[in-house]
Amino acid sequence: ELKVEQNPLFLSMQEGKNYTIYCNYSTTSDRLYWYRQDPGKSLESLFVLLSNGAVKQEGRLMASLDTKARLSTLHITAAVHDLSATYFCAVDGDNDMRFGAGTRLTVKP
Amino acid sequence: NAGVTQTPKFHILKIGQSMTLQCTQDMNHNYMYWYRQDPGMGLKLIYYSVGAGITDKGEVPNGYNVSRSTTEDFPLRLELAAPSQTSVYFCASSRDRLAQYFGPGTRLTVL
Repeated sequence: ELKVEQNPLFLSMQEGKNYTIYCNYSTTSDRLYWYRQDPGKSLESLFVLLSNGAVKQEGRLMASLDTKARLSTLHITAAVHDLSATYFCAVDGDNDMRFGAGTRLTVKP
Repeated sequence: NAGVTQTPKFHILKIGQSMTLQCTQDMNHNYMYWYRQDPGMGLKLIYYSVGAGITDKGEVPNGYNVSRSTTEDFPLRLELAAPSQTSVYFCASSRDRLAQYFGPGTRLTVL
């Protein structure tokens, strides 16, 4: 059974600092997704990673995928308050989509 | 493009009643999904569809049914509602298993 684990579940950062969120999954998959969710809102797609070694960047966020280690990371550079949200990774196990529990990020001035 | 739309936004259902949550997308996406999100948790896949006329179970299908008669519509039916079905329901669509576009959600309470 496909399992997806994120850590940390809660993250409080100061503005300007860097940090990484980790997403581990249990079985082979060729697709990994990162989403953002603001409180009380729907989910917004951030990245789709389709191959081993894939790296994608958008603004202060960079995502990478290591399929051999079954690990994806979401790196935050020089955090700003606007990045406060919950971040989810999701893994596509041949249409069996499984989400991590989410990382609730708070960026403090 | 309206994207993915869901109705209703909110609903209160009595135990044992049935209802249908509506989902429509106007992006001509072949894949559509239904998820539920319990408070403070990640999403769990209920059902998905890879195209009109084709549906399959996800992780938590019990108590739900779906149909997909057109590319655009993917309604979710709750039969004999139970308090455990109190949740926020999200519909999503994607082209070829790429990024999913989510609807605004339906907040359902079963009392």
